[in-house]
Amino acid sequence: QKEVEQNSGPLSVPEGAIASLNCTYSDQGSQSFFWYRQYSGKSPELIMFIYSNGDKEDGRFTAQLNKASQYVSLLIRDSQPSDSATYLCAVKDGVTGGGNKLTFGTGTQLKVEL
Amino acid sequence: EAEVAQSPRYKITEKSQAVAFWCDPISGHATLYWYRQILGQGPELLVQFQDESVVDDSQLPKDRFSAERLKGVDSTLKIQPAELGDSAMYLCASSLQSGTSWGGTQYFGPGTRLLVL
Repeated sequence: QKEVEQNSGPLSVPEGAIASLNCTYSDQGSQSFFWYRQYSGKSPELIMFIYSNGDKEDGRFTAQLNKASQYVSLLIRDSQPSDSATYLCAVKDGVTGGGNKLTFGTGTQLKVEL
Repeated sequence: EAEVAQSPRYKITEKSQAVAFWCDPISGHATLYWYRQILGQGPELLVQFQDESVVDDSQLPKDRFSAERLKGVDSTLKIQPAELGDSAMYLCASSLQSGTSWGGTQYFGPGTRLLVL
């Protein structure tokens, strides 16, 4: 059973701070990793994806991947109240051309406080 | 901006009744996914289509759930009979077909929130 683990939170950070969201996965063959944001009662919205070890930056968001440790993280700089949401980590099946199947974690709830 | 369309957005039904959800993927997306998301959990894949063919339905409760994508475009997910435990958000997503390990990014529709009484 492939697993994706996230701390459910809530993670509370003050406005303007850096929020750090973490995710570990069990399938060593996993190739690509996705972060989705989900507001309460809404559907998941893609933030970014990463497939190479290291950092990938997109605006205030930075994804970090360490395949040796089977660990992926999302940093949100200058956190805003509008960033308050649940962040889902999703891991793509490592099987070659494996149908793009994603396994999701349970999500981390982020609260950005004024 | 291209989006995945779903209907209805909300559905209330009584147990043992039949319900159906519809999804229209982003134009040109060959792969379509149906997920179920129970409150407090991540989405769980129910079924995946590549064009009109089922690629993965290993987690679909086939005794009561069915899905089809007859012309390889829009899709319908049906539950018959509905049970109390089926109350959840049903999400449809689509992606371009991709044989690369980094491709096939999935985009979600707004979802259908089902409540079974």
